[in-house]
Amino acid sequence: DTGVSQDPRHKITKRGQNVTFRCDPISEHNRLYWYRQTLGQGPEFLTYFQNEAQLEKSRLLSDRFSAERPKGSFSTLEIQRTEQGDSAMYLCASSSFRTAAGEQYFGPGTRLTVT
Amino acid sequence: DQQVKQNSPSLSVQEGRISILNCDYTNSMFDYFLWYKKYPAEGPTFLISISSIKDKNEDGRFTVFLNKSAKHLSLHIVPSQPGDSAVYFCAAISSGGYQKVTFGTGTKLQVIP
Repeated sequence: DTGVSQDPRHKITKRGQNVTFRCDPISEHNRLYWYRQTLGQGPEFLTYFQNEAQLEKSRLLSDRFSAERPKGSFSTLEIQRTEQGDSAMYLCASSSFRTAAGEQYFGPGTRLTVT
Repeated sequence: DQQVKQNSPSLSVQEGRISILNCDYTNSMFDYFLWYKKYPAEGPTFLISISSIKDKNEDGRFTVFLNKSAKHLSLHIVPSQPGDSAVYFCAAISSGGYQKVTFGTGTKLQVIP
């Protein structure tokens, strides 16, 4: 068990470009979450997958954001037409029915900078 | 609307002393409360939790206290060690549903050797 991994760790892009991030959860975890963290704030919930089904999306997730989890394994988060306000740390977390309530395992995050 | 609030952005404590981190919440639907610890360049790590039916939970040097009537919880670290220096996030969930975690803004703890 190598934990939750995220790729890339850093991404610099120009405004208007599309970016895609990948998250590989702990293999036996069927729950997967995406969060966004900006400077001085705690992580904010974006979306939740149970297996391959996306069951909840935050109002923070505008139409430019889309997330997938094909086959219930890894997940991708795509941001289209990036804006400077999208600059943040994007965190992925996973858990299972066996983990304690609220206990989620986080990856190291992908830091996005939009110039 | 900040549902989980940590009013102290930073705290400095001498090694061996007690560290007390405080947190307030506004949403009465929360029924589990958690503390996460975060080191630079790493994701948050779960530390300890408490159910709303309890008022205290202890795990080694870490104890979380919950005062439901005041909508307040605190994390006590005794004795504090330099390795405890990190950002601590208070968090909460409603266990029904999808267990999305609502985080506070964090308190940066520095333990001085």
